[in-house]
Amino acid sequence: QKEVEQNSGPLSVPEGAIASLNCTYSDRGSQSFFWYRQYSGKSPELIMFIYSNGDKEDGRFTAQLNKASQYVSLLIRDSQPSDSATYLCALDNYGQNFVFGPGTRLSVLP
Amino acid sequence: DAGVIQSPRHEVTEMGQEVTLRCKPISGHDYLFWYRQTMMRGLELLIYFNNNVPIDDSGMPEDRFSAKMPNASFSTLKIQPSEPRDSAVYFCASSLGGAGEQFFGPGTRLTVL
Repeated sequence: QKEVEQNSGPLSVPEGAIASLNCTYSDRGSQSFFWYRQYSGKSPELIMFIYSNGDKEDGRFTAQLNKASQYVSLLIRDSQPSDSATYLCALDNYGQNFVFGPGTRLSVLP
Repeated sequence: DAGVIQSPRHEVTEMGQEVTLRCKPISGHDYLFWYRQTMMRGLELLIYFNNNVPIDDSGMPEDRFSAKMPNASFSTLKIQPSEPRDSAVYFCASSLGGAGEQFFGPGTRLTVL
C-alpha cells in the first residue's frame, strides 16, 4: 500500500504571506497527484492536480512536483483568511483509486 | 448536475442498530468510492466500485460493514450491528475513471450511542 505523509500542522501564516504545504509519498510509480481542500464540516474539494515534474500555476495556487525526490507541494500566494482549511494531498493508486494523506491544517491569521 | 448526493446527512443511533447510508453518484461516472473520516485516522477508503462491481473491499473494517451497488445510480453502505467506534463522517465520492478527479458528496455524520 502506498503511503502519503503530510505535516499535520497547524501551519499558521499571516494574511498576505505565502503558505507552503508539503507532501511526500512512498511509491515512485504514482502518476497523478491531487490537492484537495476541506473546510471544517464540509467535504473535500479538488483545487489542483499535477501529472508532470515541475510547477503548475492556477491563480494564487502553484503545485510543484518532483518525482525523483517523491514530493509534491502546494504554494498559496497572498494567503487569505478564507484559505484556512485542511489541505489533503492524494495520489493515484495504479489508476484505480486514490491514496490520501492525513492532511495539513492551515490557519491564515488576519 | 446536482453532484454526489448522500442521505441521510446526520444519523444518530444506538449501539446494536442497523445503519444504512445511501449515495447517488454523478451521472456518467463509472467509479464510486466509500470513505470514512475521523480525527484519529483521517480519510480512509472503505470500498470502491467500477461499473457497479466491487473492486476492492480491503478497507472495510469488519464483517459488520457491507456495501452494494445495484445499479449505476445508487449505492448503500450498511453497518449491522453498529458500535460506538463506528461514529465518523462517511463520504461517498464518484469519478470518471479510477485516476480521475473524485467528486465528494456532503457526507453522512454518524453517531452511535
